[in-house]
Amino acid sequence: EAGVAQSPRYKIIEKRQSVAFWCNPISGHATLYWYQQILGQGPKLLIQFQNNGVVDDSQLPKDRFSAERLKGVDSTLKIQPAKLEDSAVYLCASSRDRNYGYTFGSGTRLTVV
Amino acid sequence: AQKVTQAQTEISVVEKEDVTLDCVYETRDTTYYLFWYKQPPSGELVFLIRRNSFDEQNEISGRYSWNFQKSTSSFNFTITASQVVDSAVYFCALKNQGGKLIFGQGTELSVKP
Repeated sequence: EAGVAQSPRYKIIEKRQSVAFWCNPISGHATLYWYQQILGQGPKLLIQFQNNGVVDDSQLPKDRFSAERLKGVDSTLKIQPAKLEDSAVYLCASSRDRNYGYTFGSGTRLTVV
Repeated sequence: AQKVTQAQTEISVVEKEDVTLDCVYETRDTTYYLFWYKQPPSGELVFLIRRNSFDEQNEISGRYSWNFQKSTSSFNFTITASQVVDSAVYFCALKNQGGKLIFGQGTELSVKP
């Protein structure tokens, strides 16, 4: 079984620029999560999808962050405009549904300069 | 409120020593799951164990063991005869009934030869 795929692996941008991350979950996994992990901290949930619907986006900074999951499969997370404090690793995870364990991708390391 | 606390930020041991990583959680849910993940320097989150709230049996897997005590809301993780390859950041996490995974701050374990 292929794992959760994320791209790009690394990204460096200047503040106020925009950036997008892509995630391809494990085939058949209905639930998809985006987490933000700031250096030295535990991952924090940004948004949770069930198929293509949003279940929880209470911690997503909606003035600059957006996410979508078209057709209930791949997902993209966008930041526009980026701030210095957005520098972090963005992790995507998927599970069969909310009652199952997660599988995490390798993450995208974003540096905002 | 739901919260996971890992009071130990960093631990350093010498190879072959035993080491215990502490985890204390808070939740009002009657059904929940507890997890431990390992994050090596490469960055991916590696699943180690999942335990549901109704199963208080301790578990041993090779050099790893877990002690779940509901009375003290603790889910501690012990590595016996530590090895250099065990060096990583270890995260304890709580999954609530909505499927959201809440992480602790992590404990960085350094095992020196």
